[in-house]
Amino acid sequence: DSGVTQTPKHLITATGQRVTLRCSPRSGDLSVYWYQQSLDQGLQFLIQYYNGEERAKGNILERFSAQQFPDLHSELNLSSLELGDSALYFCASSVEGGLYPNEQFFGPGTRLTVL
Amino acid sequence: EDQVTQSPEALRLQEGESSSLNCSYTVSGLRGLFWYRQDPGKGPEFLFTLYSAGEEKEKERLKATLTKKESFLHITAPKPEDSATYLCAVQATDNYGQNFVFGPGTRLSVLP
Repeated sequence: DSGVTQTPKHLITATGQRVTLRCSPRSGDLSVYWYQQSLDQGLQFLIQYYNGEERAKGNILERFSAQQFPDLHSELNLSSLELGDSALYFCASSVEGGLYPNEQFFGPGTRLTVL
Repeated sequence: EDQVTQSPEALRLQEGESSSLNCSYTVSGLRGLFWYRQDPGKGPEFLFTLYSAGEEKEKERLKATLTKKESFLHITAPKPEDSATYLCAVQATDNYGQNFVFGPGTRLSVLP
């Protein structure tokens, strides 16, 4: 158990809908990362937040957005869902979030299925 | 563009048969290289961080090394419980800011 929690575990929804994924980092970690993992794309970095502020942006679609709240938990919002958005979404956390390399600790993931 | 490739794609070993996994990277500003282990349906589990060429880290049957272009994960006398997908990742800084790039992974099967 990494100490990172994600809810829900599974999510099934229809095209065009909007969903929210939630992540609570390990106690003491200030940085949260979101990743998408699909069979054909592997693990893709979406976005990083550090102490409430956006720190780095990866291959995140405009239909997706995220935020980190004062209690450090984070939410990933996915809207206008398409079939291709079906994937495992992982949240990870680390102690810091700067340029110095920080190992990331991953949650169990949320499996999103778009029908 | 930052890129990470891994080889082989899949590897089957007999218990006790040592081998190495390769991770090759092309990044503009490497900050660190990471190895993770991932079991099916679970989140990646952190193994090692390597910061600079020449560095080596060891943990039980695993040893990770780093050069300027690639990293190796050496597995000595593997056991069936070492079966998993091993992911290599880099933290890099380029003109667009900080980036985290994962390789496609090597799927390791260790047969008893």
